[in-house]
Amino acid sequence: RKEVEQDPGPFNVPEGATVAFNCTYSNSASQSFFWYRQDCRKEPKLLMSVYSSGNEDGRFTAQLNRASQYISLLIRDSKLSDSATYLCVVRGYDYKLSFGAGTTVTVRA
Amino acid sequence: NAGVTQTPKFQVLKTGQSMTLQCAQDMNHEYMSWYRQDPGMGLRLIHYSVGAGITDQGEVPNGYNVSRSTTEDFPLRLLSAAPSQTSVYFCASKMTGSGGEQYFGPGTRLTVT
Repeated sequence: RKEVEQDPGPFNVPEGATVAFNCTYSNSASQSFFWYRQDCRKEPKLLMSVYSSGNEDGRFTAQLNRASQYISLLIRDSKLSDSATYLCVVRGYDYKLSFGAGTTVTVRA
Repeated sequence: NAGVTQTPKFQVLKTGQSMTLQCAQDMNHEYMSWYRQDPGMGLRLIHYSVGAGITDQGEVPNGYNVSRSTTEDFPLRLLSAAPSQTSVYFCASKMTGSGGEQYFGPGTRLTVT
């Protein structure tokens, strides 16, 4: 079983729509959680950390459910520039990061 | 504003050849790592280092060697290239003990024929 699993998508949404997707992780002892963004053929970049109480960064909202071991990302008022692959990332106690395979989002005009 | 740099950007090798992928960072980060990214697999950790002179294996270390003689440089050596090593390789660095923000290089696209 993969340590971090994501729905690969693609999620194809019109501009202005809301899109949400989850990832699940297998290690209940995981310490920290993050969403990274990866544009086509580019390197991943940190989008936001995910805190236990949930957190927002502009149009992006992340939630963590430790009991069910899943993390979610919601994007409101989607922009064309939000088209990317979103990687769910989990950190263990040893500081190593485990990456999901990514969820692809395509925003169309 | 260099951040993490990787060379080469593209490389084609024949089976059995060896080569070194270069990685350097100018942020004085102690932690550096190498990942490979294959379709549908996510990034997988090959080797990592928590400081100069210290390296350790990640999830998929076979066929690769690393060394860390300086804080800045963390080269990845392919000993005898195989088609299964065709992938995109990313080097990353971060402050030890920090959260999840790793800074990635632009990647090296390697094809082994």
